Amino acid sequence: AQSVTQPDIHITVSEGASLELRCNYSYGATPYLFWYVQSPGQGLQLLLKYFSGDTLVQGIKGFEAEFKRSQSSFNLRKPSVHWSDAAEYFCAVGPSPYSGAGSYQLTFGKGTKLSVIP
Amino acid sequence: DTGVSQNPRHKITKRGQNVTFRCDPISEHNRLYWYRQTLGQGPEFLTYFQNEAQLEKSRLLSDRFSAERPKGSFSTLEIQRTEQGDSAMYLCASSPGLAGGPGETQYFGPGTRLLVL
Repeated sequence: AQSVTQPDIHITVSEGASLELRCNYSYGATPYLFWYVQSPGQGLQLLLKYFSGDTLVQGIKGFEAEFKRSQSSFNLRKPSVHWSDAAEYFCAVGPSPYSGAGSYQLTFGKGTKLSVIP
Repeated sequence: DTGVSQNPRHKITKRGQNVTFRCDPISEHNRLYWYRQTLGQGPEFLTYFQNEAQLEKSRLLSDRFSAERPKGSFSTLEIQRTEQGDSAMYLCASSPGLAGGPGETQYFGPGTRLLVL
């Protein structure tokens, strides 16, 4: 069964500081990896995704993530955090569209809440 | 492209009542998904549709839950005889449904927050 672990429940950083949110996944085949962001009371917005190719992917709002197969990780980074980045961040894994798994459900981690100190 | 919309945004009901939520996917998206998110947790998959066919259901989808997508466009999720444990955010997502392609990004709506008293 697929699973996602986000080890940090809550992270606080100062505005302008760098950020790294950790994500480890367990999946038996080629994974399809996502990072979503959720503001309070809102739905999820896609930040970036990885399914093949370059292991460093760029997303919206200056975010990037690196897929490391050997470590089963897909950590999210941003070089300089803005106050508006305060939100909850979810890592998710799903079967690659090429896997033929016949399932499209995403499995999410429990999220990391980011607080930003002005 | 107006995104995925969900109605109502909030619903308060008494235990034992039935509730129905609606989801309108992005136009021409063939796949539609329902997830449930409880406080402090990530979304959990409930079910998904390919056009009007319900192709996958989670064990979380008890007999009191039913989802439909009659014309392959909007979808409804009904919960019968609600229980306090049903209190959660119900999220809908849609994706293009391109067979074998890289387009299976799921785009989420704002959710319907349900409170069962």
